[in-house]
Amino acid sequence: DTAVSQTPKYLVTQMGNDKSIKCEQNLGHDTMYWYKQDSKKFLKIMFSYNNKELIINETVPNRFSPKSPDKAHLNLHINSLELGDSAVYFCASSDTRTQTEAFFGQGTRLTVV
Amino acid sequence: GQSLEQPSEVTAVEGAIVQINCTYQTSGFYGLSWYQQHDGGAPTFLSYNALDGLEETGRFSSFLSRSDSYGYLLLQELQMKDSASYFCAADNQAGTALIFGKGTTLSVSS
Repeated sequence: DTAVSQTPKYLVTQMGNDKSIKCEQNLGHDTMYWYKQDSKKFLKIMFSYNNKELIINETVPNRFSPKSPDKAHLNLHINSLELGDSAVYFCASSDTRTQTEAFFGQGTRLTVV
Repeated sequence: GQSLEQPSEVTAVEGAIVQINCTYQTSGFYGLSWYQQHDGGAPTFLSYNALDGLEETGRFSSFLSRSDSYGYLLLQELQMKDSASYFCAADNQAGTALIFGKGTTLSVSS
C-alpha cells in the first residue's frame, strides 16, 4: 500500500513533446505538491493544490500545468518539453490540519533529449 | 523572498555527533521540518518543530528558535547509513507551502 505513488518512474522523451506524470495519494490528505529536483539536488516547489484549488504557482513556465481530477490525484502535464526540463519530479502530500509530515512519491526522472 | 540557508556539505566519522544548521527567511512561517534523502531515493520526514525548543526522536534531534529564525538537526552516534542529503523546510500557517533549503550532504566515514 504505497502512500504516494507517481508514474512513470522514468521518462525519456524528445524535445517538443508533451508528456504527463501522474500522482495519487491514499492518505486522505488535503494538500498535494509538485517539486522539481535538479542535478544540484535543489528541491524547488512548483505547485501546491489544496482541496482542488491552486494555492501556489511559483515562477514556473506556463508549459507546466497541474491537473487535479479529485483530492487524491494531482497530475503534472508538460507541453513542448525543453532540455532544461530534465530533472527528477516529486509529488508529495500533506494534511494541513496536522501540518507535520509531507509524504513523497518515488520520483519521476525525466530526461529530454 | 523566501529562503532557507544550510551548509552544503558536512563530513564526520562513525560514532560522532553532527549538527546541521538552518536559518530561514520566509513569510507566514509556521514550523520547520527536516527531511533525509538518500541518493536515488525520495525525501523522507525526520522531524518537525512548530514551537521553540528541542524535539528528540531516537538518534536525531531538532531544535528551533523562532526569535532567531534558526534551527538545527543534531545527529548522534553516526552510522554509515546516515550518509545522505538533509534538507530543512519551512511551512506557512495555512500549511499550503513547504519550502526547502538547498540541502546538506553528509558523508560518514569509518
